[in-house]
Amino acid sequence: AQRVTQPEKLLSVFKGAPVELKCNYSYSGSPELFWYVQYSRQRLQLLLRHISRESIKGFTADLNKGETSFHLKKPFAQEEDSAMYYCALREGFQKLVFGTGTRLLVSP
Amino acid sequence: DTEVTQTPKHLVMGMTNKKSLKCEQHMGHRAMYWYKQKAKKPPELMFVYSYEKLSINESVPSRFSPECPNSSLLNLHLHALQPEDSALYLCASSLEAGGPGNEQFFGPGTRLTVL
Repeated sequence: AQRVTQPEKLLSVFKGAPVELKCNYSYSGSPELFWYVQYSRQRLQLLLRHISRESIKGFTADLNKGETSFHLKKPFAQEEDSAMYYCALREGFQKLVFGTGTRLLVSP
Repeated sequence: DTEVTQTPKHLVMGMTNKKSLKCEQHMGHRAMYWYKQKAKKPPELMFVYSYEKLSINESVPSRFSPECPNSSLLNLHLHALQPEDSALYLCASSLEAGGPGNEQFFGPGTRLTVL
């Protein structure tokens, strides 16, 4: 079975500190990976996808096929980054499989 | 209109009731999805519709019955649910059902409580 692992349930940092949310995956094919974010009282929304190789709100994520990882990074965390972050893997053609999520808490 | 809408926001039902959840999008998307999200858990896929045809059923119990009357509308009919079915039910849509770059847009969800 394909799996997405987010080892940290909660990550607490101070404003201005670097952030790294870990995501590891197992997939037998060519993976397509995403980061979704859910801010308090808001809907789940796409933050990043690996094929775009973009930076959104200062966040970046690089697919490392050797380590089967897709960690989400930001050099300087902001209080408004506090949210639930889900790593997701497209399995097959249509199915999206989510990791268990990491709650990021950025304190002032 | 660039959002997925879901109604109702909250629903409380008894185990013998029949109710329906509704999802709507007007973005011209041809794929629509139902997910179930239990408290403090990630969303889990239930159904995928592509061009109004059911393409994935993740072995969901028959007490959940999806329906896609047209490309903009997705329903989830509920009958004889169990208390363990209480969860947040999320609808999503994407331009196509799969393939690289097809972002899924999520609705706000319907919070269902089964008594």
